[in-house]
Amino acid sequence: GNSVTQMEGPVTLSEEAFLTINCTYTATGYPSLFWYVQYPGEGLQLLLKATKADDKGSNKGFEATYRKETTSFHLEKGSVQVSDSAVYFCAWMDSSYKLIFGSGTRLLVRP
Amino acid sequence: NAGVTQTPKFQVLKTGQSMTLQCAQDMNHEYMSWYRQDPGMGLRLIHYSVGAGITDQGEVPNGYNVSRSTTEDFPLRLLSAAPSQTSVYFCASKGNPNYGYTFGSGTRLTVV
Repeated sequence: GNSVTQMEGPVTLSEEAFLTINCTYTATGYPSLFWYVQYPGEGLQLLLKATKADDKGSNKGFEATYRKETTSFHLEKGSVQVSDSAVYFCAWMDSSYKLIFGSGTRLLVRP
Repeated sequence: NAGVTQTPKFQVLKTGQSMTLQCAQDMNHEYMSWYRQDPGMGLRLIHYSVGAGITDQGEVPNGYNVSRSTTEDFPLRLLSAAPSQTSVYFCASKGNPNYGYTFGSGTRLTVV
């Protein structure tokens, strides 16, 4: 069935390190893809999105490219900060506008 | 704009009790959804709505009812609370088809 698979965490990095969080999806058709971020004790915030193949979403130094050939939407950031510590969720949205999430990846950035 | 407002923020129920989690949005969004978040399982879709008067089931609908009598409100009803429904519940809404969902701040529910 349709699903989203994320790399398991926690991911622990030092400040200014390069970040990659892998996300792959299984879906029929051409879903829209999203990354959401959840800071401790808060709700989810939309981080970036891509609505078609080869789209690159970007926000706050984070980037992700919609790769249809590998059904992937990996999240990257060139230099993480302590304030980036949060849980990151990959998600896809189908043609009926249902939003389906991966299980989340916790990122911990140490000074 | 207040965005998506959920009430209450915290609730403790006894097994078998019923209650309604409230969700309201002031952005005139057509699409609304309810999710539950459990440790290690991400967010799972309970019910969703594509407009007033239209609702449908998500991944985990059992034990929950919804209705959408107005565009603004999308309440979630627990008919007979069970400990397995202990979770954090999030409501979300979306307007433009190309945009993502906006989430409320959540309701933490404990069933004892």
